[in-house]
Amino acid sequence: QSVLTQPPSASGTPGQRVTISCSGSSSNIGSNYVYWYQQLPGTAPKLLIFKNNQRPSGVPDRFSGSKSGTSASLAISGLRSEDEADYYCAAWDDSLSGPVFGGGTKLTVL
Amino acid sequence: QITLKESGPTLVKPTQTLTLTCTFSGFSLSTSGVGVGWIRQPPGRALEWLALIYWDDDKRYSPSLKSRLTITRDTSKNQVVLTMTNVDPVDTATYYCARSEGKWLPFDYWGQGTLVTVSP
Repeated sequence: QSVLTQPPSASGTPGQRVTISCSGSSSNIGSNYVYWYQQLPGTAPKLLIFKNNQRPSGVPDRFSGSKSGTSASLAISGLRSEDEADYYCAAWDDSLSGPVFGGGTKLTVL
Repeated sequence: QITLKESGPTLVKPTQTLTLTCTFSGFSLSTSGVGVGWIRQPPGRALEWLALIYWDDDKRYSPSLKSRLTITRDTSKNQVVLTMTNVDPVDTATYYCARSEGKWLPFDYWGQGTLVTVSP
């Protein structure tokens, strides 16, 4: 059971906008930055969003992050077939004194 | 360019001790704020954080695995080593090492991962 809660699946058609939610508590999302990762099949996680809404160099601006209270969201606009992957949220947890992850959301592009 | 790479055995027997090494380049574990951690992912399942070590030798462990884990660093070799005692088949997973740019921050750069199978 992951500390952060994500929907197990999400889907959309090419060109659509999809959002993936991540719910936590005051000890993690509520008081620390949220990170998002994309994991393509058979590969390592790749940083997509850091510090709630910042994109690393090279990540398309189709990807955006937001945070409100103890929840966060990842939005993907202009959905493309290559966006089909697993997406994970993460945040530091003050109670556990370490980072915690969501259970992951499998995004399917129909 | 920041890179990390995991190395270690691919097959370990139950009750044995697993030792994994993370060799990194492009940054120093002597730089203020920097940390290197370990994360694992059982086949088809989610990511699970295991341990973290920082530039000042501050060490953090997952509470659920703390009694079985030890994380150490060799700054001169740019390496971080994780040992896990008394392994069990449920420890079968891909093990990743990754960098954190500061305390209270998750990871930015990740290694490619190494699959470890625990089986008699």
